[in-house]
Amino acid sequence: DAGITQSPRHKVTETGTPVTLRCHQTENHRYMYWYRQDPGHGLRLIHYSYGVKDTDKGEVSDGYSVSRSKTEDFLLTLESATSSQTSVYFCAISDQDRASYEQYFGPGTRLTVT
Amino acid sequence: AQTVTQSQPEMSVQEAETVTLSCTYDTSESDYYLFWYKQPPSRQMILVIRQEAYKQQNATENRFSVNFQKAAKSFSLKISDSQLGDAAMYFCAILFRAGGGLTFGKGTHLIIQP
Repeated sequence: DAGITQSPRHKVTETGTPVTLRCHQTENHRYMYWYRQDPGHGLRLIHYSYGVKDTDKGEVSDGYSVSRSKTEDFLLTLESATSSQTSVYFCAISDQDRASYEQYFGPGTRLTVT
Repeated sequence: AQTVTQSQPEMSVQEAETVTLSCTYDTSESDYYLFWYKQPPSRQMILVIRQEAYKQQNATENRFSVNFQKAAKSFSLKISDSQLGDAAMYFCAILFRAGGGLTFGKGTHLIIQP
């Protein structure tokens, strides 16, 4: 299994508070991604990174920001959490220089905003 | 917008039988990559099989194979000799460009009857 960890694994927070989720990899892969999973929607891309300090928006980026100061860490921040951001968040990594384009996923973080 | 459609919210199959999960997609791109992911109750996303659009030969991984029909924009997954451990949500996904994020279908819940 790819070395990907996410922290925390579970979090309950109140509306309006800031929240940061962390993704850590030990594979030295260039690309990292944040997705959210909601019932009836599959997984949807929030933001992704193609290198240190290089990030771009995905399909559902409103209300989220990201940062990547080191190859191994990709942070997802909810500046002011809302109930609509209650979801399961997955981090993924990819070594697309290998031309296989496969993405490997972390275990997920369940976030509940009350 | 690129879309991925899984028209079967739920499928049921007897243990040891064969089942086929459907996936169709819409794109004007000619080069892309297709994937099937499995998500068991543990929530972990597991890559099952991948297919490059430029390859005519259908991918196979042990009991899992795909039927890729590029003109019809169809990418179905066949599971042979179904096992109880195959019970999970299955997601079809497409990657349209290197470094970009995956676009997922909404998933098919596969039930294996003993």
